[in-house]
Amino acid sequence: DGGITQSPKYLFRKEGQNVTLSCEQNLNHDAMYWYRQDPGQGLRLIYYSQIVNDFQKGDIAEGYSVSREKKESFPLTVTSAQKNPTAFYLCASSIVYQSPLHFGNGTRLTVT
Amino acid sequence: GIQVEQSPPDLILQEGANSTLRCNFSDSVNNLQWFHQNPWGQLINLFYIPSGTKQNGRLSATTVATERYSLLYISSSQTTDSGVYFCAVKALGGQNFVFGPGTRLSVLP
Repeated sequence: DGGITQSPKYLFRKEGQNVTLSCEQNLNHDAMYWYRQDPGQGLRLIYYSQIVNDFQKGDIAEGYSVSREKKESFPLTVTSAQKNPTAFYLCASSIVYQSPLHFGNGTRLTVT
Repeated sequence: GIQVEQSPPDLILQEGANSTLRCNFSDSVNNLQWFHQNPWGQLINLFYIPSGTKQNGRLSATTVATERYSLLYISSSQTTDSGVYFCAVKALGGQNFVFGPGTRLSVLP
């Protein structure tokens, strides 16, 4: 089955540690995205990648980093510079940039 | 940038009732999607509907792009319809989808 896999589902970290969230897709989509969702809120764009080896900052990129070395994979690193990292993180992909989005099941990150 | 509003913010229904959710946006769009986020956080595509009307079972959606709004209709609601409904729009000339704040729907048995 084609889809977007995010792992792990739940992640706990101590403050000051970097943590990397995994996102893999086997849909052969060119574009991939990372969104952040806080309780009771909508989704905000962190980073996006239109093609392999290319990515751009979204609306709230500070304290995050990404890489896109393979078409299938778009990992997100939450660095210690991110002031409020506890949130629900959603990865999405689309056939090409700006076409309809398809989402993974999300990773819930808790930093204490 | 484009502003997206959704109404109502919260909606409580008895099972079997019908409902209409609204998404208003402040600028011309060339992409619009409706999503359902279930209680486990999973975002499910409902419709890709930059204009016109579409139906899928008990759900239908209409976008009137010239008047800058979209409506999602849920008929004969079921408890499994509970969750948050988001619209996401991409402005004409804009770069990325912008999400509305969502409508939280609770369907009671």
